[in-house]
Amino acid sequence: NAGVTQTPKFQVLKTGQSMTLQCAQDMNHEYMSWYRQDPGMGLRLIHYSVGAGITDQGEVPNGYNVSRSTTEDFPLRLLSAAPSQTSVYFCASSYSRSSTGELFFGEGSRLTVL
Amino acid sequence: GQQLNQSPQSMFIQEGEDVSMNCTSSSIFNTWLWYKQDPGEGPVLLIALYKAGELTSNGRLTAQFGITRKDSFLNISASIPSDVGIYFCAGQLTNDMRFGAGTRLTVKP
Repeated sequence: NAGVTQTPKFQVLKTGQSMTLQCAQDMNHEYMSWYRQDPGMGLRLIHYSVGAGITDQGEVPNGYNVSRSTTEDFPLRLLSAAPSQTSVYFCASSYSRSSTGELFFGEGSRLTVL
Repeated sequence: GQQLNQSPQSMFIQEGEDVSMNCTSSSIFNTWLWYKQDPGEGPVLLIALYKAGELTSNGRLTAQFGITRKDSFLNISASIPSDVGIYFCAGQLTNDMRFGAGTRLTVKP
């Protein structure tokens, strides 16, 4: 029972490099999202998707792109990494966006931008 | 956007003690949730509250949805070492969920 799977778990980038954080869920959830976690700031929503082919911006979308070509996958792309993007990133999913309550989170991806 | 103020930021307690943490907001929410994050893991839902005034328990955990819909608290009774972690409150209004900054709990055996 995999749930939400994120890769990689750790990544170090140089400023200006690009990379993609992968997220996959096997629960047939419509809603998927990306959060970043920074000390003292809780979890902040970056982008979300309510279904395949549909994405939208969250609270802190700048510097990130997403796409949702399948129900299962929701990759997060950093086109030109900046030190301010050093953070722990979490992918989360739920049955639907308006289904109140339970978001299922991945284990997180720790990104360091030098 | 709505801001959630979660307190305390951290707690150091002795095993067996009770713990209380709370979350307040300047805006109302329809749902309050409490998550726990173990070290190196993603947050996991502990309790969800759906009605103002609702009091819900899950084992040693008790949470309440404030009457004003702007606050919630979480109590943990008789703490044990595995309670260690970061506890997050989250408020949801229609399609938007916001998280508090978290309470880091340390339990000394």
